[in-house]
Amino acid sequence: ETGVTQSPTHLIKTRGQQVTLRCSSQSGHNTVSWYQQALGQGPQFIFQYYREEENGRGNFPPRFSGLQFPNYSSELNVNALELDDSALYLCASSRRDFTDTQYFGPGTRLTVL
Amino acid sequence: AQTVTQSQPEMSVQEAETVTLSCTYDTSENNYYLFWYKQPPSRQMILVIRQEAYKQQNATENRFSVNFQKAAKSFSLKISDSQLGDTAMYFCAFTLYSGGGADGLTFGKGTHLIIQP
Repeated sequence: ETGVTQSPTHLIKTRGQQVTLRCSSQSGHNTVSWYQQALGQGPQFIFQYYREEENGRGNFPPRFSGLQFPNYSSELNVNALELDDSALYLCASSRRDFTDTQYFGPGTRLTVL
Repeated sequence: AQTVTQSQPEMSVQEAETVTLSCTYDTSENNYYLFWYKQPPSRQMILVIRQEAYKQQNATENRFSVNFQKAAKSFSLKISDSQLGDTAMYFCAFTLYSGGGADGLTFGKGTHLIIQP
């Protein structure tokens, strides 16, 4: 059973640019959630995808958007990058049933200059 | 909105000692899950233990156990026989279960646990 994977590991962008982060779900999981973790803080929920549709969203602006594909992998897109978007972005996958425990990938470290 | 509070920013204990990390949460809902996650310097978030709110019995996983006090909205983690590899950030997390599945997790700010040799 393969775990959750994310790419790239690190990324450096400049303010105003756009970025796409990728996540592959753990085998057997159909739900993907994305989190932003600023330095020294706990992760903040961005949104969740289930069956290729957004299924819940945290307090993040529309320039944060996502996709889920038929194989349950996912992308997080961020437009018009701001300095405050610098953070660790975590993807978590889960199986949408009574267990629903989220398992995390290693994260992508995004730096915005 | 649900909130999770971890009041201990950092704790340090000697190897083999027992340590308890505190967590309180606030919700008006009745059907939810609570979790403890560990994040070592490698930054991968690892599930330590899970508790369903409808279960009165406290969850245990080897050296890790919780003290779940639903009325007090308290969910502490006890680590017995602590090991050097337990050094990490520990996050308490909460999610609602709404029948169709669980929502996104709400995390506390974390407790940095240091195990001294």
